[in-house]
Amino acid sequence: EPEVTQTPSHQVTQMGQEVILRCVPISNHLYFYWYRQILGQKVEFLVSFYNNEISEKSEIFDDQFSVERPDGSNFTLKIRSTKLEDSAMYFCASRGSGRFTGELFFGEGSRLTVL
Amino acid sequence: AQSVAQPEDQVNVAEGNPLTVKCTYSVSGNPYLFWYVQYPNRGLQFLLKYITGDNLVKGSYGFEAEFNKSQTSFHLKKPSALVSDSALYFCAVRDADSSYKLIFGSGTRLLVRP
Repeated sequence: EPEVTQTPSHQVTQMGQEVILRCVPISNHLYFYWYRQILGQKVEFLVSFYNNEISEKSEIFDDQFSVERPDGSNFTLKIRSTKLEDSAMYFCASRGSGRFTGELFFGEGSRLTVL
Repeated sequence: AQSVAQPEDQVNVAEGNPLTVKCTYSVSGNPYLFWYVQYPNRGLQFLLKYITGDNLVKGSYGFEAEFNKSQTSFHLKKPSALVSDSALYFCAVRDADSSYKLIFGSGTRLLVRP
């Protein structure tokens, strides 16, 4: 069964460092998403991406965040200068084309710990 | 704006008993509702969805959910709980005003005791 894969599973970084989280969506999917979940809290939308550009972003997704689909298979989330409050589980998700009546397919997440 | 509420942080049931995890929603237009489950150290897995049609929808692992328009609810149910059902359950609604992102509730932890 096709799945969304994410790397790394866990990353520890120092405050102020740059972090890149990587995702490989399901191969024929066209819509991509990043969500995050701070420990014990709800899953929050960060950004959606379609046709090589951002479709929508939340208030959380400020200038420190960026997304890219560099090679047609990977979908990356970059945090330019990490803050303590960026510590969270980051989930990538994807879905196919067409009218959205179906579910999103999520990866297993990348846990980011900022010290 | 679309939103969902899960009023219970945790639900405790004994194995073999029926379980209900509650969700209420607020949407403009027709609701597209979803349940996802998160097992420890895993990503979110789709359980079931309501788009249109029968108010009782059936999903994975024996779960079902009942859509109630008058009460704006979409409670998750299972007739007989298993210990392996213990996990974090999220209700979600599709945000039709944008890029069709999902808006999640705060989650309910289900604990099934043997």
